[in-house]
Amino acid sequence: DTGVSQDPRHKITKRGQNVTFRCDPISEHNRLYWYRQTLGQGPEFLTYFQNEAQLEKSRLLSDRFSAERPKGSFSTLEIQRTEQGDSAMYLCASSLVIYGGTGAGNEQFFGPGTRLTVL
Amino acid sequence: GDSVTQMEGPVTLSEEAFLTINCTYTATGYPSLFWYVQYPGEGLQLLLKATKADDKGSNKGFEATYRKETTSFHLEKGSVQVSDSAVYFCALSDSGYSTLTFGKGTMLLVSP
Repeated sequence: DTGVSQDPRHKITKRGQNVTFRCDPISEHNRLYWYRQTLGQGPEFLTYFQNEAQLEKSRLLSDRFSAERPKGSFSTLEIQRTEQGDSAMYLCASSLVIYGGTGAGNEQFFGPGTRLTVL
Repeated sequence: GDSVTQMEGPVTLSEEAFLTINCTYTATGYPSLFWYVQYPGEGLQLLLKATKADDKGSNKGFEATYRKETTSFHLEKGSVQVSDSAVYFCALSDSGYSTLTFGKGTMLLVSP
């Protein structure tokens, strides 16, 4: 399977603990996105990478959140000192953007998500 | 800022009925418009898209036309099947940006 994969699929943690999620994009894709989806809502943008560079962060991404894509391949999203409000589905997506392009209009391929429950 | 508004669900239809799911948007530039679908237990998949005014996106019998004058991108299908039961998300990416802004989603339930 050459789609986007995410690990773990489910994570239950206690408030105050740190959690880390991993996303493996489609191998030739240079853009990687993180979104958060809460129950009954559409996905909301968190951040994205062009290769290893983090180009944009949403105001939703508080200082407890950090994302990396160290070699321009897989990415990790870490949440420190989790709160109950962090409970959500965390989605990763990837796309291929040609050199110099904006990527607007490009299809994003989504992974299955990591469901986080903070008790 | 950019926003997408879609009709609330669930939309409940019998097999072979006509489907319309309304979607309107607000954007500062000239956005690209998308419909994504999420089948039960699966990830989001692109259903169709349109990148400029008056373009029609189509796939699997679904269609949507980019209407700049009404800022709309309504999803239609002439005859739904039970297998179309899913949550449908309207989304946009504004010109010059690739990040997606999604609506809240509309659940479609099709009964035999």
